[in-house]
Amino acid sequence: QKEVEQNSGPLSVPEGAIASLNCTYSDRVSQSFFWYRQYSGKSPELIMSIYSNGDKEDGRFTAQLNKASQYVSLLIRDSQPSDSATYLCAVNMTGGFKTIFGAGTRLFVKA
Amino acid sequence: DAGITQSPRYKITETGRQVTLMCHQTWSHSYMFWYRQDLGHGLRLIYYSAAADITDKGEVPDGYVVSRSKTENFPLTLESATRSQTSVYFCASSPRQGHAEAFFGQGTRLTVV
Repeated sequence: QKEVEQNSGPLSVPEGAIASLNCTYSDRVSQSFFWYRQYSGKSPELIMSIYSNGDKEDGRFTAQLNKASQYVSLLIRDSQPSDSATYLCAVNMTGGFKTIFGAGTRLFVKA
Repeated sequence: DAGITQSPRYKITETGRQVTLMCHQTWSHSYMFWYRQDLGHGLRLIYYSAAADITDKGEVPDGYVVSRSKTENFPLTLESATRSQTSVYFCASSPRQGHAEAFFGQGTRLTVV
């Protein structure tokens, strides 16, 4: 079992819809959780971080964390074609240096 | 320019050759990292550094060497390149532990033939 798992997609949603991206992780003591966006041929860019159970909202993005279920998700409201990218889930296991990345979910937003 | 820059952006080398990828950041971040990205594997940590002269292994360190004599530079050397090291390499920096605010360079696409 991979330490951080994501559905590779592609996930296709129409413009204006809610895109829901999911991630599960294996280490119960994980402390920090991140979502990065990566456009094709570009470097990853941090868009959300979450550290405690519940929801965290930032503009059109909402990160949701459920430590009991070892599950973190990213919701993108009012999806735009410019949101089309690969979204990487990252989990920091013990607050140290070894952040583990999932393989990413490709999102397509159709105009 | 401020930020984190990698060089070269593209590199083709032959099996067995030594290759050095450069990474330079202007923020004076303490923490720096090297990742490789391969299809189906996501980003995998090769080496990291907490400060000048302090480095440690990540998930996939074999075949790689790093150094950090100055805070702003963190070069990655492939001592004897192999085809399995064909990948996109990303350098990143962070002002604090835990990758809370990791910033990535543009990446270096390395092909070993």
